[in-house]
Amino acid sequence: EVQLAESGGGLVQPGGSLRLSCAASEFTFSNYWMSWVRQAPGKGLEWVANIKQDGSVKYVVDSVKGRFTISRDNSKNSVFLQMNSLRAEDTAIYYCVREHSSGTYYFDYWGQGTLVTVSS
Amino acid sequence: QVVLTQSPSASASLGASVKLTCTLSSGHSSYGIAWHQQQPEKGPRFLMKLNSDGSHIRGDGIPDRFSGSSSGSERYLTISSLQSDDEADYYCQTWGTGIRVFGGGTKVTVL
Repeated sequence: EVQLAESGGGLVQPGGSLRLSCAASEFTFSNYWMSWVRQAPGKGLEWVANIKQDGSVKYVVDSVKGRFTISRDNSKNSVFLQMNSLRAEDTAIYYCVREHSSGTYYFDYWGQGTLVTVSS
Repeated sequence: QVVLTQSPSASASLGASVKLTCTLSSGHSSYGIAWHQQQPEKGPRFLMKLNSDGSHIRGDGIPDRFSGSSSGSERYLTISSLQSDDEADYYCQTWGTGIRVFGGGTKVTVL
């Protein structure tokens, strides 16, 4: 069964940085786009960033451009989200998500999430 | 840019059926979508991928009580024989070049 395990969340002050990691298993990681999706407390789901199979193409939502960077290491079956200049509005549960990557890019497996709290 | 619109809430009785709607913005009626379920205090789970012609593929272990259909720019999720653990938030999701989009979600209450 596909497994996605996030780590790296925690409490950070405004303006600080955090790096999230996601370890994938039970599928051929290098064949799939991967995404990060977040959910602020009591709010809906918001797509944050994604990365192509070989890491050559990356997209991020406008609200985090210039602050968040997505990357991956196919040798370690892992995807990362580097978050800099964090703001209170970045407080959310961050989910690692696999994208079905055969021409239609829907999310087909989700991790359990890691909580990021930005507060002084 | 594609936008997905969902009603905030829906309700139905235990054992009955409920039909949820996700509406694609103008000019995007050919898009497929996916439906996801989020039970209280849990992470989301993929339910199905739904094409513009109404054909759909369920995720692993998703019962056939969950079905999808399409009409024009509207995409539907029907839950039959409602059970108590179907009480959850349901999100539709679609994709474009360089973007992934969610609807605002529909909270389903089982009466």
